[in-house]
Amino acid sequence: GAGVSQSPSNKVTEKGKDVELRCDPISGHTALYWYRQSLGQGLEFLIYFQGNSAPDKSGLPSDRFSAERTGGSVSTLTIQRTQQEDSAVYLCASSSRTLSSYEQYFGPGTRLTVT
Amino acid sequence: EDQVTQSPEALRLQEGESSSLNCSYTVSGLRGLFWYRQDPGKGPEFLFTLYSAGEEKEKERLKATLTKKESFLHITAPKPEDSATYLCAVQSQKLVFGQGTRLTINP
Repeated sequence: GAGVSQSPSNKVTEKGKDVELRCDPISGHTALYWYRQSLGQGLEFLIYFQGNSAPDKSGLPSDRFSAERTGGSVSTLTIQRTQQEDSAVYLCASSSRTLSSYEQYFGPGTRLTVT
Repeated sequence: EDQVTQSPEALRLQEGESSSLNCSYTVSGLRGLFWYRQDPGKGPEFLFTLYSAGEEKEKERLKATLTKKESFLHITAPKPEDSATYLCAVQSQKLVFGQGTRLTINP
């Protein structure tokens, strides 16, 4: 079956511009996560959606970052007024979050470069 | 605060040379420990979940084990295609990742 997909795969933007990154989770997965991976760094949790519950936004680094998930499926991560330190790979993951399974399945990521 | 530390940061082995990667963790209320493989330019690929001390999982040349404080990923007779970064993560309230071990297998 289809895995998690993300678009675009690469995005180059000028400092100060807004960007939108898209994630299509695995069909039927109720949980969706966004992470950021900077060069040589581990994965940094950003935000988590579970069903119709309020999202866990505790990992968002600033108010320039926001995310939404429409219809319990596709998610968009928006970064406003981008800064050079926002350059990273943004990874999306989804999970079925059953009682016995917390495995997250990752998309290929979007490489964001802010010039 | 939940923490995950992986060692070594990088490991070079000859093809066929077995070794182990370490993942030490501190977490309140472990719901699972996960191993992922990440190839350059790709997202992490799920390998194993371990839930309780003493549990072991195997897949081809890889075997993951778990104690109350750490997990090991044993690689037996590795091949060059096993070269990748191996990530460990623990789940309590959130999934917390280690920095990874970059494994290189030379032919």
